[in-house]
Amino acid sequence: AQSVSQHNHHVILSEAASLELGCNYSYGGTVNLFWYVQYPGQHLQLLLKYFSGDPLVKGIKGFEAEFIKSKFSFNLRKPSVQWSDTAEYFCAGLNNNDMRFGAGTRLTVKP
Amino acid sequence: EAEVAQSPRYKITEKSQAVAFWCDPISGHATLYWYRQILGQGPELLVQFQDESVVDDSQLPKDRFSAERLKGVDSTLKIQPAELGDSAMYLCASSGGQVTGANVLTFGAGSRLTVL
Repeated sequence: AQSVSQHNHHVILSEAASLELGCNYSYGGTVNLFWYVQYPGQHLQLLLKYFSGDPLVKGIKGFEAEFIKSKFSFNLRKPSVQWSDTAEYFCAGLNNNDMRFGAGTRLTVKP
Repeated sequence: EAEVAQSPRYKITEKSQAVAFWCDPISGHATLYWYRQILGQGPELLVQFQDESVVDDSQLPKDRFSAERLKGVDSTLKIQPAELGDSAMYLCASSGGQVTGANVLTFGAGSRLTVL
């Protein structure tokens, strides 16, 4: 069955630390991949997406993600986090109209 | 910026009662989704519409849940009777149109249901 897995449930970092959140998918064939963010009290918002082409995609607020087909991964990165990045992050994959979300990773950034 | 509208934002009900949630997608978005998000988990698809037709309702508990999008615009999700395990956030999303594209979902703020 198609699935998306996120290995980190809760990540705690200090400001200016580097971030990498893991995401793996189990789709065969063509897959579109996404990272969504949910800030406290707000709705899910798109951070970035990968459809095809350059496997390194840049999103809003300094986030980027790299699609590594051989590893079935789409990890999210940010070189230097800020307190305002405290949120829940969801990886998602779309294949044949079937959109699946990972369980989410809660990021807490300490000032 | 166009938004997906949902109401109510919060609903508290007793088990065995009926509840209904409403969603108005972004204008021009042909695809509408209802997701359920249990605390600490990712969103799970309940039903997907393409215009007024159901594309996928394989995860919808059809004995108690129903969804409709009669005119292909706004949609209603109903639960009857509600059970304790239905307590969750119910999210509506839409996709399509020229700006965001067919495969990018825009989410509403959600309707939080608490069943007592």
